[in-house]
Amino acid sequence: AQSVTQLGSHVSVSEGALVLLRCNYSSSVPPYLFWYVQYPNQGLQLLLKYTSAATLVKGINGFEAEFKKSETSFHLTKPSAHMSDAAEYFCAVSDWSRDDKIIFGKGTRLHILP
Amino acid sequence: DAMVIQNPRYQVTQFGKPVTLSCSQTLNHNVMYWYQQKSSQAPKLLFHYYDKDFNNEADTPDNFQSRRPNTSFCFLDIRSPGLGDAAMYLCATSSKGVYGYTFGSGTRLTVV
Repeated sequence: AQSVTQLGSHVSVSEGALVLLRCNYSSSVPPYLFWYVQYPNQGLQLLLKYTSAATLVKGINGFEAEFKKSETSFHLTKPSAHMSDAAEYFCAVSDWSRDDKIIFGKGTRLHILP
Repeated sequence: DAMVIQNPRYQVTQFGKPVTLSCSQTLNHNVMYWYQQKSSQAPKLLFHYYDKDFNNEADTPDNFQSRRPNTSFCFLDIRSPGLGDAAMYLCATSSKGVYGYTFGSGTRLTVV
């Protein structure tokens, strides 16, 4: 069965500092990987996705993630944090070739310190 | 703009009183999903429709039902809401070749 593990339920960074949110996946087949962001009382918005093309994926709002098969990781980064980045971030995995279901991690809440 | 719309945004219902949440989409996606998200937790898939084919998750309680009368609409029916059903309910859509979901803004359900 596929799964993702997000390290750290809460992460705090200073405004302007590097953002790093960690995600490790488990999958018996080549995975499709996603990062979603959720603001309070909102649905989830797709930040970026990996679908077996380039291993470095660029998304919206200056975020990017790198697929590392050897480390089974898909960490999310942003060079310089902004106050508006404060939100909940979910890593997710899917075996899109088999079914259309996405499995979400438990989420990481990102806090931005002024 | 093509989108996924959930109504209402906030719903208060009485313990045991049936409630229906609605979702509509203008994306013409053939797959629609319902997720339940409790506070500070990951979204949990309840069921999904692939076109008209209904797919129930094994651990979804019988108290939850769904209807999809056409491509654009999908409903979540909770037959007898309990206090433990208070959550955010998220509707999402997808389509073959469009990897990843498009989510609605969610309906926050309160049970009193």
